[in-house]
Amino acid sequence: KNEVEQSPQNLTAQEGEFITINCSYSVGISALHWLQQHPGGGIVSLFMLSSGKKKHGRLIATINIQEKHSSLHITASHPRDSAVYICARNRDDKIIFGKGTRLHILP
Amino acid sequence: GAVVSQHPSRVICKSGTSVKIECRSLDFQATTMFWYRQFPKQSLMLMATSNEGSKATYEQGVEKDKFLINHASLTLSTLTVTSAHPEDSSFYICSARNRVRGYEQYFGPGTRLTVT
Repeated sequence: KNEVEQSPQNLTAQEGEFITINCSYSVGISALHWLQQHPGGGIVSLFMLSSGKKKHGRLIATINIQEKHSSLHITASHPRDSAVYICARNRDDKIIFGKGTRLHILP
Repeated sequence: GAVVSQHPSRVICKSGTSVKIECRSLDFQATTMFWYRQFPKQSLMLMATSNEGSKATYEQGVEKDKFLINHASLTLSTLTVTSAHPEDSSFYICSARNRVRGYEQYFGPGTRLTVT
């Protein structure tokens, strides 16, 4: 079992739909990252959070420390949101990455 | 927010040559930088941890003589892939830890290396 589990692995949705990607981890953390990776490979840091909720534009990230679970939500999804979304847990200096969720938004 | 850049974003080189990839923290000082590698359809994996002014610490299975890491200043770390082979073709990503803000890490955009 991976230390960081993401679900779903793949997700296809229609433009405008509300998207939720889940991340569970097995040990305590100092921070949790959500990253976006586009088809060309480039990585964009979306969020780093250690508690509560953060919002940036149409993206919302939440974390429940007690349940060791985080979610990434995308409101009013758009085809340009199509990418791989990666959850990574940060414990001291060590970062463990999930395998990513491949999101495809259809126009 | 904190910004980390990498250069180049893409590089194609011939087998046997060496390639240098730079990782810079643009608006903060990074005592520690990390180098990751991602093979197709796989997770990012830590290769090495680079501390300013000291030798890098390599993860098991990563050849330190092949992947030379230099962290000469608080804003720059370099990864040199020596005598590159096609199996070194991968996506290389760095992250930098903000010395002021504890364990927060910020990721670079990555470098796509293709060895022909």
